[in-house]
Amino acid sequence: GAVVSQHPSRVICKSGTSVKIECRSLDFQATTMFWYRQFPKKSLMLMATSNEGSKATYEQGVEKDKFLINHASLTLSTLTVTSAHPEDSSFYICSATQGLDISPLHFGNGTRLTVT
Amino acid sequence: GQNIDQPTEMTATEGAIVQINCTYQTSGFNGLFWYQQHAGEAPTFLSYNVLDGLEEKGRFSSFLSRSKGYSYLLLKELQMKDSASYLCAVMDSNYQLIWGAGTKLIIKP
Repeated sequence: GAVVSQHPSRVICKSGTSVKIECRSLDFQATTMFWYRQFPKKSLMLMATSNEGSKATYEQGVEKDKFLINHASLTLSTLTVTSAHPEDSSFYICSATQGLDISPLHFGNGTRLTVT
Repeated sequence: GQNIDQPTEMTATEGAIVQINCTYQTSGFNGLFWYQQHAGEAPTFLSYNVLDGLEEKGRFSSFLSRSKGYSYLLLKELQMKDSASYLCAVMDSNYQLIWGAGTKLIIKP
């Protein structure tokens, strides 16, 4: 089945530094990738939708200058958390889909970010 | 506005059957998904319903009634490993997924 690889699985960084999270579709071309954030005991919160070769569409309330998304190829999207603060500590999950039709999302394993 | 409702938490006994309900109000409908999420892990796809009726897949079944804006996930022969959160998500007319808050299922021996 389709596989999405997300890296790193865990990262600890100091406040003020930047962290890059990669999301790769391993056996299919992901025209659209989604980035989610999840707080403890909460559901997924969509941060942004990323289409290959175009700028990401951010959800209301998500700072696009803080959460930089790049989707340069059909198999790779990156999320960079810039100037991280402790409140950015969270579980970040990417997902990918093969198109705009009704296809299930394939999720990466998530990245646990801790900002100290 | 768009809304997905599902119970926050449910408890069931190993070997038993449990039904997790989901009601929705969305702008259009292009299908309903159920995902399983274990603590600290990403969600995994369980089922997809776009037509009314019951879809059975092993121990798991999912039902949809579009006229009632209602779905349920039925888990049979519960196992301890089924302890997880179950997320209901509806794809709206813009092909955007609207997520429920998830139902935490606790399985007791």
